[in-house]
Amino acid sequence: QKEVEQDPGPLSVPEGAIVSLNCTYSNSAFQYFMWYRQYSRKGPELLMYTYSSGNKEDGRFTAQVDKSSKYISLFIRDSQPSDSATYLCAMRPGTASKLTFGTGTRLQVTL
Amino acid sequence: DSGVTQTPKHLITATGQRVTLRCSPRSGDLSVYWYQQSLDQGLQFLIQYYNGEERAKGNILERFSAQQFPDLHSELNLSSLELGDSALYFCASTKAGGGGGQFFGPGTRLTVL
Repeated sequence: QKEVEQDPGPLSVPEGAIVSLNCTYSNSAFQYFMWYRQYSRKGPELLMYTYSSGNKEDGRFTAQVDKSSKYISLFIRDSQPSDSATYLCAMRPGTASKLTFGTGTRLQVTL
Repeated sequence: DSGVTQTPKHLITATGQRVTLRCSPRSGDLSVYWYQQSLDQGLQFLIQYYNGEERAKGNILERFSAQQFPDLHSELNLSSLELGDSALYFCASTKAGGGGGQFFGPGTRLTVL
């Protein structure tokens, strides 16, 4: 079993929809949680960074962490075709530790 | 633009050869991490350096090695290349305290023929 599980998709939604992306994990030591966006053959781009449980909002993006359930989510409001990409969750136990990634969910936002 | 640079963008080489990938972290960042991304394995951590010293190792093959120089740039050396080493190689950097996320470079695409 992988430490971090993420549905690979693809997930196809119409423009303007609310998108929900999720990851589950098994290692209770994880304290820092991130979401990255990766366009095809490009480097991952950091979208959201959160520590421990709670919510964080940045523009159209909201990240949620529920450590009791070992479950994290990323919500995208008013989705745009430019949001079409692969979204990777990542997490680590300490501030300087390596990241453990989910396999990524491929999102397609259609006109 | 994350501020992390990597060269070259693409590398095409033959089995058995040796290549060197280069990474320059963001200004002021002391930690450099190397990751490999292949279609079947996703993003896998290889090795971490902090201010010139190796800090952590992941699933890095013995044929692979890395170092971080006094100017903080890092190089990943891959030798005795095999077809299965074909992948995207990314480096990432973080600030001195490690807080905040890791910022990734654009990657080097390695093709071994």
